Amino acid sequence: AQTVTQSQPEMSVQEAETVTLSCTYDTSENNYYLFWYKQPPSRQMILVIRQEAYKQQNATENRFSVNFQKAAKSFSLKISDSQLGDTAMYFCAFMTDSGAGSYQLTFGKGTKLSVIP
Amino acid sequence: NAGVMQNPRHLVRRRGQEARLRCSPMKGHSHVYWYRQLPEEGLKFMVYLQKENIIDESGMPKERFSAEFPKEGPSILRIQQVVRGDSAAYFCASSPNGPTDTQYFGPGTRLTVL
Repeated sequence: AQTVTQSQPEMSVQEAETVTLSCTYDTSENNYYLFWYKQPPSRQMILVIRQEAYKQQNATENRFSVNFQKAAKSFSLKISDSQLGDTAMYFCAFMTDSGAGSYQLTFGKGTKLSVIP
Repeated sequence: NAGVMQNPRHLVRRRGQEARLRCSPMKGHSHVYWYRQLPEEGLKFMVYLQKENIIDESGMPKERFSAEFPKEGPSILRIQQVVRGDSAAYFCASSPNGPTDTQYFGPGTRLTVL
C-alpha cells in the first residue's frame, strides 16, 4: 500500500518570504503521479501543482514549484513571495494504478500554513 | 465552465436516517470519485465511477454505503441508517478522459449526524 507522509503539521511564514513544505511517500511502483492540493478555510480543495514521475523536470506554477527527488521519494513544495491568501492546509497526494485501471489519490495528513502579515 | 457542483453543502441527519449526497461533475467529465475527510485528517478514497459503472469501490464501507452515477443526472452517494461516526466532509472529484487525469474537486458536503 502507498503511504504519504507530511512531517510538518504546522508552519508559518512572513508575507513575501519563501517557505518549503515537505512530503515523502512510499511506493514500489515506477509510474505514478504526485500532487499538491490546497484547502483554505472555505474547505474547497484546490489543485496547486501536478508532477508526473517519469518527468525529470520539476513542475512550476507561478509562485509554486516542487523539488521532486524520485530516488529519495521526496516531493517538497516551495512557495515564493508568500501572500496572505496562501494561508491554508496543504495536502500532498500520490496516485498510481491500484488495479483494474483504477487510480485513486492517497493523501497525507496535511500541513497547516499560516502567512503572517 | 462551471466547476464540480455538490449539494447540499451542509446536511444534518439524526441517527438511523438516510443521507443522499449529490455531485455534478464538470462539463465533459465522465469520471467521478468520492472521498471522505474526517476532522484533522486528509481525504480518504471511497469509490470511483464512470457513467453507469462502478470501477473501484475498495474504499467504501461494505454496509450502508452505496454510490451510483447514472446515464443522466448527478452521481449520488447514499448512506443508509447513518451513525455518528459518519459525520465528516464528503468530497466529490471529477476528471475528463481517464483515471490518470487530474481530479478536480467540488466544495464538499459536510454531514453532521445528531
